[in-house]
Amino acid sequence: ILNVEQSPQSLHVQEGDSTNFTCSFPSSNFYALHWYRWETAKSPEALFVMTLNGDEKKKGRISATLNTKEGYSYLYIKGSQPEDSATYLCAFKWRTSYDKVIFGPGTSLSVIP
Amino acid sequence: GAVVSQHPSWVICKSGTSVKIECRSLDFQATTMFWYRQFPKQSLMLMATSNEGSKATYEQGVEKDKFLINHASLTLSTLTVTSAHPEDSSFYICSASILGAKDSPLHFGNGTRLTVT
Repeated sequence: ILNVEQSPQSLHVQEGDSTNFTCSFPSSNFYALHWYRWETAKSPEALFVMTLNGDEKKKGRISATLNTKEGYSYLYIKGSQPEDSATYLCAFKWRTSYDKVIFGPGTSLSVIP
Repeated sequence: GAVVSQHPSWVICKSGTSVKIECRSLDFQATTMFWYRQFPKQSLMLMATSNEGSKATYEQGVEKDKFLINHASLTLSTLTVTSAHPEDSSFYICSASILGAKDSPLHFGNGTRLTVT
């Protein structure tokens, strides 16, 4: 059974703080790792698709790294803002998955003004 | 671009009736659409993978006769919850990946909140 884990489950930070959270996934048969942001009352929005070991991607104040050999990815948010409050989901795609993507439980981030 | 429309946003139905949820890709063709279910305070659980013109692939533990999936075209997939019961009350959300785009992220609908009374 393929398992994708995320930690922490939830996080409360002050506006301006930087934060990071972790996604763990199986290291064998890796194909891609996705990160999504899911704000309340909206649909999940893709942040990054990462495919190569050592990949680092950045979008504004948000960045992500990938280690496929040990099976983890970090998502960083620099200078958190209230609008960053959302659930951050990672999702794992493996080589024989025929496009299927398995999601982790998510990290719920609340940024306190 | 890459907009997915899911309808309805919410539905209340009586036990024993069937409910159809539509998922449309509005500005792209989707090779594959996925149906997820979210239980309270849990993550998205993949129910089935829907491919245009072929039978859906269901995940272990998901009843194919209960959750009928039809993928009639490259832009439309439907999920029908048949003979709904209160335990089917949940949040259902579809997603799609773009035809021919390797490493494409998923594009999600807004989800459907189903309440069975």
